[in-house]
Amino acid sequence: QKEVEQDPGPLSVPEGAIVSLNCTYSNSAFQYFMWYRQYSRKGPELLMYTYSSGNKEDGRFTAQVDKSSKYISLFIRDSQPSDSATYLCAMLDSSASKIIFGSGTRLSIRP
Amino acid sequence: NAGVTQTPKFRVLKTGQSMTLLCAQDMNHEYMYWYRQDPGMGLRLIHYSVGEGTTAKGEVPDGYNVSRLKKQNFLLGLESAAPSQTSVYFCASSYALAGGWTKNIQYFGAGTRLSVL
Repeated sequence: QKEVEQDPGPLSVPEGAIVSLNCTYSNSAFQYFMWYRQYSRKGPELLMYTYSSGNKEDGRFTAQVDKSSKYISLFIRDSQPSDSATYLCAMLDSSASKIIFGSGTRLSIRP
Repeated sequence: NAGVTQTPKFRVLKTGQSMTLLCAQDMNHEYMYWYRQDPGMGLRLIHYSVGEGTTAKGEVPDGYNVSRLKKQNFLLGLESAAPSQTSVYFCASSYALAGGWTKNIQYFGAGTRLSVL
């Protein structure tokens, strides 16, 4: 079993929809959670990061962590065609010594 | 401030040829990493370095070598390329001077697309 599971998609939604992207994990030592966005033929870029449980909001993006369920989510409100990309979750354990990436979910926003 | 720069952007090799991929960062980061990204496999760590003059194996190190002679540069070498090494290679760096756990956030280059025929 992989430490981090992420549905590869592709996920296609109409412009303006709310998008929910998710990852599950098995290692309870993970304390720090990140979301990266990767446009086609580009490197991953950090989108958001959170520590422990709860929500964090940044503009149209909200990151949510549920440590009891070992489940993290990224919500995108009022989705735009420019949000079309692959989204990777990433996690660090409590000693912040080892980062694990999900395999990414490909998202397409239809105009 | 360029961040993480990778050269070359594209390369085609024949089986058995060798090549070196260069990664340069200008953020004074201590840690540097080499990943490969394949469809459905996500990012897999090849080798990493926690400082100048140090290297360590990651998840998939076989067939690759690395060197970190200068803090800002991290080189990935393929001594005898194989078709299984066809992939997109990403370099990343971390440990910003801001400190705290966020020092482990990794910043990526744009990637090198390598085809081995």
